[in-house]
Amino acid sequence: GNSVTQMEGPVTLSEEAFLTINCTYTATGYPSLFWYVQYPGEGLQLLLKATKADDKGSNKGFEATYRKETTSFHLEKGSVQVSDSAVYFCALSRGKLTFGTGTQLKVEL
Amino acid sequence: GAVVSQHPSWVICKSGTSVKIECRSLDFQATTMFWYRQFPKQSLMLMATSNEGSKATYEQGVEKDKFLINHASLTLSTLTVTSAHPEDSSFYICSAPSSGGFTDTQYFGPGTRLTVL
Repeated sequence: GNSVTQMEGPVTLSEEAFLTINCTYTATGYPSLFWYVQYPGEGLQLLLKATKADDKGSNKGFEATYRKETTSFHLEKGSVQVSDSAVYFCALSRGKLTFGTGTQLKVEL
Repeated sequence: GAVVSQHPSWVICKSGTSVKIECRSLDFQATTMFWYRQFPKQSLMLMATSNEGSKATYEQGVEKDKFLINHASLTLSTLTVTSAHPEDSSFYICSAPSSGGFTDTQYFGPGTRLTVL
């Protein structure tokens, strides 16, 4: 079946630090890949997505590249801000969405 | 972008009562909507697919008699938790694909926090 594995948190960083949140997947065929973000007290918001191999999704300074050879979709940001503190979910879609367990990011001054 | 709303945003009820949660697509039509459950510090678990004009499709292990889903129109799906118990306390989230069909991009509602006493 389909599954998504992402690094456990919480991840605590200082402002302006570099962020990487690892995500790998198992799926039949070629799924679309997503990163969703959940800010405290809010619902999920689509952060970025990639629909085919080697695609790079980007938004708000975040990037992730669809790597078919390593079945990965790692999330990166060059310089995090306190406002980036949230829970980040990696997900794949083969029609339905399958989510990873989420990674909490805390950014401190 | 597409907007999905949920009502209520939070509800507290007594054990044994039923609670209805509404999910609306505000600026688009959705023939399909999805209902998820999220436990604290865990991922979203797909409960069921709500289909306009037909019965909902439930994921394995989800009691269809416990979680009643009705897709009343192209913009409204409801989830009713019947005879709620404390173990049903959770965060319930709905989503809808913006095209109205079965596409990859989902738009999520803000969620409903259910607490059963």
